[in-house]
Amino acid sequence: NAGVMQNPRHLVRRRGQEARLRCSPMKGHSHVYWYRQLPEEGLKFMVYLQKENIIDESGMPKERFSAEFPKEGPSILRIQQVVRGDSAAYFCASSPPGTANQPQHFGDGTRLSIL
Amino acid sequence: LAKTTQPISMDSYEGQEVNITCSHNNIATNDYITWYQQFPSQGPRFIIQGYKTKVTNEVASLFIPADRKSSTLSLPRVSLSDTAVYYCLVAPEDSGGYQKVTFGTGTKLQVIP
Repeated sequence: NAGVMQNPRHLVRRRGQEARLRCSPMKGHSHVYWYRQLPEEGLKFMVYLQKENIIDESGMPKERFSAEFPKEGPSILRIQQVVRGDSAAYFCASSPPGTANQPQHFGDGTRLSIL
Repeated sequence: LAKTTQPISMDSYEGQEVNITCSHNNIATNDYITWYQQFPSQGPRFIIQGYKTKVTNEVASLFIPADRKSSTLSLPRVSLSDTAVYYCLVAPEDSGGYQKVTFGTGTKLQVIP
């Protein structure tokens, strides 16, 4: 069973460019979460999606950030016009449908560096 | 969301049992307690989850007292490979059926040879 797959593992962008982070959830999982982690800190919730729907984006900045989970294909976290402060590790997690107490399964993240 | 408090760091020698306690005074009736482990450059990995009393699996044990205001993760006979950050989470059950979790800064466990 493949786990949660994130790519790329490392991404370097210059200020003003766009960053696209991809996440393929585990097979059978329809819930996807995105988190951001700064060095020496815990993960901060950004957004929760189900197929074709954003359920909770309360942790995501209102500007420049967007997320989607299309019917086909991976979930995408898009950051437009990146700034130095966007440098962080971005983790995706997935969980199966059902009760809310299913533990989340995490990918190994995308490390975004802004030059 | 219930806030959690845990020690910032702990050291332990190889072969010892390690207990990491987490406080969650505002835990709600339908909250579960979940522990994750994170190695450098990796995503968090689920260790154990419980609601009350004691839960044990092949990796760890979780002790939850009757008032559920704290929990203790117990790692038997740690090895160097257990050096990691351990996160205690309290997950509310949302009416939408998903788990919005909040990660604190975790406990950085250093196992010493």
